[in-house]
Amino acid sequence: AQSVTQLGSHVSVSEGALVLLRCNYSSSVPPYLFWYVQYPNQGLQLLLKYTSAATLVKGINGFEAEFKKSETSFHLTKPSAHMSDAAEYFCAVTNRDDNIFFGQGTRLHILP
Amino acid sequence: DAGITQSPRHKVTETGTPVTLRCHQTENHRYMYWYRQDPGHGLRLIHYSYGVKDTDKGEVSDGYSVSRSKTEDFLLTLESATSSQTSVYFCAISDPNSDGYTFGSGTRLTVV
Repeated sequence: AQSVTQLGSHVSVSEGALVLLRCNYSSSVPPYLFWYVQYPNQGLQLLLKYTSAATLVKGINGFEAEFKKSETSFHLTKPSAHMSDAAEYFCAVTNRDDNIFFGQGTRLHILP
Repeated sequence: DAGITQSPRHKVTETGTPVTLRCHQTENHRYMYWYRQDPGHGLRLIHYSYGVKDTDKGEVSDGYSVSRSKTEDFLLTLESATSSQTSVYFCAISDPNSDGYTFGSGTRLTVV
């Protein structure tokens, strides 16, 4: 069985500060991991994905995530937050032979 | 949204009435999915399809049925809508050669 846990349903950071959104996964086989972003009244957009290549994955809008097998983590980071980053972020896991499973989401608030 | 559209975008219906939501894709992807999104629950899989007339249940399938008579269309039906089915419904598509899902813009359904 696979699952993801996102720590913190709401995260607030100041504009220009580091963004860190936490995701831990559970999978009995090597996982494929994703981060999606959802802006208000829109569907989910793929930010980045890990598919067993480089453990540090760079995505769109300056985001990146690092796959750490020993910690079963795939945290999302961005060095400097921008007001336009305010959105809900979802971590997801799959092993390609199964469906994709989403975390509960983390809403990111950017403080001026 | 990369060749995937959902209709209607918004719907209000009364308890006990049937409702059908439509997902249409122009990508010729094999897999199609219906999710519901509720606060605190992230996205939960309702049903999915892996080909024409091939469908299976997800984790929250009770009260829902689906049909896929053509590759491009995946219909979600609430046979007798209940207030607990008030939610935002997302359709997604994927292809075995890709590693992520593409989402529609969602349908906001309110059951009164």
